[in-house]
Amino acid sequence: DAKTTQPTSMDCAEGRAANLPCNHSTISGNEYVYWYRQIHSQGPQYIIHGLKNNETNEMASLIITEDRKSSTLILPHATLRDTAVYYCIDLIQGAQKLVFGQGTRLTINP
Amino acid sequence: KAGVTQTPRYLIKTRGQQVTLSCSPISGHRSVSWYQQTPGQGLQFLFEYFSETQRNKGNFPGRFSGRQFSNSRSEMNVSTLELGDSALYLCASSLTGLAGYTGELFFGEGSRLTVL
Repeated sequence: DAKTTQPTSMDCAEGRAANLPCNHSTISGNEYVYWYRQIHSQGPQYIIHGLKNNETNEMASLIITEDRKSSTLILPHATLRDTAVYYCIDLIQGAQKLVFGQGTRLTINP
Repeated sequence: KAGVTQTPRYLIKTRGQQVTLSCSPISGHRSVSWYQQTPGQGLQFLFEYFSETQRNKGNFPGRFSGRQFSNSRSEMNVSTLELGDSALYLCASSLTGLAGYTGELFFGEGSRLTVL
């Protein structure tokens, strides 16, 4: 079973920052936090991952709390194409599989 | 470069039949994993292959099997199909798998199987 919890759905206005929270209260020291998203009728797409430091790439930023029990994915300027289901996953180093939860359905509104 | 290619994209089978799905990973990728996606259970891991060897297997019955060829292409087979096997089957490739620890899997668009 997935060990992360996320809100079922969220809305965000186009052009604004979308902040998607994730709780991973049972995360252990060697587990990373990964984010993937799935746009309708497509396969999941990798977004970003991190261990304890905040991370940023061309798609998003990942903010991890100091106690590592929660994180927030930030899409700085959301567009309609960011409408998707976003999955937060914790992954044990050396594991060979992703355990997906139900994710957050993010809707970007014009 | 070309992405992950899955064939066929759509197929319809009847109960009791078997089906074989194919996945061609990104060139140079040696790890291929398979996932099943259903509305009720979400995305679930089936198995992962690396250099023709199965490295990990999810909690699915033995009717679900797979293999990987020397060119890294992979197939999965489901025998004695049941109605509950109707799903989107997704293949993902990566250079070394998650153990290599980049965390980035590249998914195909999936094969949508309908069992009648």
